[in-house]
Amino acid sequence: SQQGEEDPQALSIQEGENATMNCSYKTSINNLQWYRQNSGRGLVHLILIRSNEREKHSGRLRVTLDTSKKSSSLLITASRAADTASYFCATSKAAGNKLTFGGGTRVLVKP
Amino acid sequence: DGGITQSPKYLFRKEGQNVTLSCEQNLNHDAMYWYRQDPGQGLRLIYYSQIVNDFQKGDIAEGYSVSREKKESFPLTVTSAQKNPTAFYLCASSIGFTSGRENTGELFFGEGSRLTVL
Repeated sequence: SQQGEEDPQALSIQEGENATMNCSYKTSINNLQWYRQNSGRGLVHLILIRSNEREKHSGRLRVTLDTSKKSSSLLITASRAADTASYFCATSKAAGNKLTFGGGTRVLVKP
Repeated sequence: DGGITQSPKYLFRKEGQNVTLSCEQNLNHDAMYWYRQDPGQGLRLIYYSQIVNDFQKGDIAEGYSVSREKKESFPLTVTSAQKNPTAFYLCASSIGFTSGRENTGELFFGEGSRLTVL
């Protein structure tokens, strides 16, 4: 069963706009990770946020975590056509434990 | 360059045949994983191995088998018992627990193998 569920399932925006996607999960976690997948390719790790952290930044990425609501959000600022991809959240119940992935958000950035 | 290599990239199989997907890593990672991805869906865990000569079933292990005889290699066999094997298969690795480095479970993925049953 999926631990994380992303919302929305698909998102279409213009280049330069911000893209926000959300992830909800069911059980307590040690950390939550976001990955990106270009069509037909493997996944690439983007950012990790630990359960005792509330916000984290990496370049144009901003991740928040609300453990009381069991939810996380990923914000991509000033989007580019190259950001077109599927984005997945994944949760780990314990440090180094196997990850459980959500269904993903497909993002289309139109030039 | 260190990384994970999956082969073949594309594979066609007739019903009733077993096929083996290769996964090799030179990252010196202890843990390796196999995921299945169906069109427009997330990843589902098939099998994982935390250390050589040991592996555990994931959420959808039925119809699959693995071996972990070497640290670098984690091949996946899709058997004829798998009722709907057409999918995109992803192999991944993570640091594991014996390196002494922090183990967050961050995964490094190969480029995938697409299996089609004719």
